[in-house]
Amino acid sequence: EADIYQTPRYLVIGTGKKITLECSQTMGHDKMYWYQQDPGMELHLIHYSYGVNSTEKGDLSSESTVSRIRTEHFPLTLESARPSHTSQYLCASSVTGGVNEKLFFGSGTQLSVL
Amino acid sequence: AQTVTQSQPEMSVQEAETVTLSCTYDTSESDYYLFWYKQPPSRQMILVIRQEAYKQQNATENRFSVNFQKAAKSFSLKISDSQLGDAAMYFCAYVSGAGSYQLTFGKGTKLSVIP
Repeated sequence: EADIYQTPRYLVIGTGKKITLECSQTMGHDKMYWYQQDPGMELHLIHYSYGVNSTEKGDLSSESTVSRIRTEHFPLTLESARPSHTSQYLCASSVTGGVNEKLFFGSGTQLSVL
Repeated sequence: AQTVTQSQPEMSVQEAETVTLSCTYDTSESDYYLFWYKQPPSRQMILVIRQEAYKQQNATENRFSVNFQKAAKSFSLKISDSQLGDAAMYFCAYVSGAGSYQLTFGKGTKLSVIP
């Protein structure tokens, strides 16, 4: 299976806290993505990166930020968490080279903001 | 903008039977790719099957096959000989062939397998 890891698996946090969701992959993939998914709803792309020092915003507006300092690491940060940020966050990666490349997904982080 | 519609929020199938999950999409492009992803309760998304729009032949992967109707913009997934491990959320997804790597997902279909 895919070698892409997300931590923490579950996070419950109070309003106003700063949080960072971790995502790492050991496959050497250039492209990485963050998706947000609410229960029963489709995935929405919130951030993506085509390589080191490359980050772009996705289709869904998000107050989160990302960084890509190393190929294998693509953390997502919320400076001040709010209840509206409660959701499932899925990280994914794929190999450079073609639009039909396979996406590998992490197990997700379920974030609850109280 | 492209849209992907899965009209069946939930489906169930008897073990060993066959089930078909529906997906329709809307696009003005001629070059694109379609996918079915499986998300089991463990939440890790797994690619089930992939179809290139320029290929007329329907893709198959073991017990999984698709019925790709390009003119109708329909992309259904057929699961044969259903197994308990097939129980999951299934997402249909679209990506443009015009250089974009961003997938558009449907809302998903929850498949239950009855022993």
